[in-house]
Amino acid sequence: DAGVIQSPRHEVTEMGQEVTLRCKPISGHDYLFWYRQTMMRGLELLIYFNNNVPIDDSGMPEDRFSAKMPNASFSTLKIQPSEPRDSAVYFCASSLTTSPADTQYFGPGTRLTVL
Amino acid sequence: AQSVSQHNHHVILSEAASLELGCNYSYGGTVNLFWYVQYPGQHLQLLLKYFSGDPLVKGIKGFEAEFIKSKFSFNLRKPSVQWSDTAEYFCAVNAGNTDKLIFGTGTRLQVFP
Repeated sequence: DAGVIQSPRHEVTEMGQEVTLRCKPISGHDYLFWYRQTMMRGLELLIYFNNNVPIDDSGMPEDRFSAKMPNASFSTLKIQPSEPRDSAVYFCASSLTTSPADTQYFGPGTRLTVL
Repeated sequence: AQSVSQHNHHVILSEAASLELGCNYSYGGTVNLFWYVQYPGQHLQLLLKYFSGDPLVKGIKGFEAEFIKSKFSFNLRKPSVQWSDTAEYFCAVNAGNTDKLIFGTGTRLQVFP
């Protein structure tokens, strides 16, 4: 299995532009998570899906952020408009279930820089 | 609300030194506890986890962690570190009635030869 795939790996954009981050979870995994990692706040959960349905988006910072999962093999995290404070590494993770016996598998992350 | 505290933000050790990274959580009920590691330039991967049974958990690469319920702690240990252990280490907790992992802010470990 290729693991969790994220694209792009690096994104540099200017303030005000729309940014779309993409994630392909491991096949067969029912749960997909989006995290943001910054120096100040560490690793924060933004939103997670179960069977393509958003379950908890309480970690999404504001309305500029949105996430979708149109099918079991693809999810997007969109920021519109982007701001410099959105600069961070965004991780996607997937798991078979949320049982503690199952592990969350992380993708390589997308490093976003907003100028 | 659940929270996880990692008090050591940056630890510097020489090879062969012993390691202990602190992790405390705030939740009074059943918890599942995890340590993840992020090597330079790589993605997070699971180091070890506890969800029941023996409170002393052994993970990959010689790491272990002990769950002490009375102290709300899940400290990570390794008797003798190597240069290749240089990485960032994250403690995480999942309360028994939720699906979410709550991560600590991480501890950056640097091991010098």
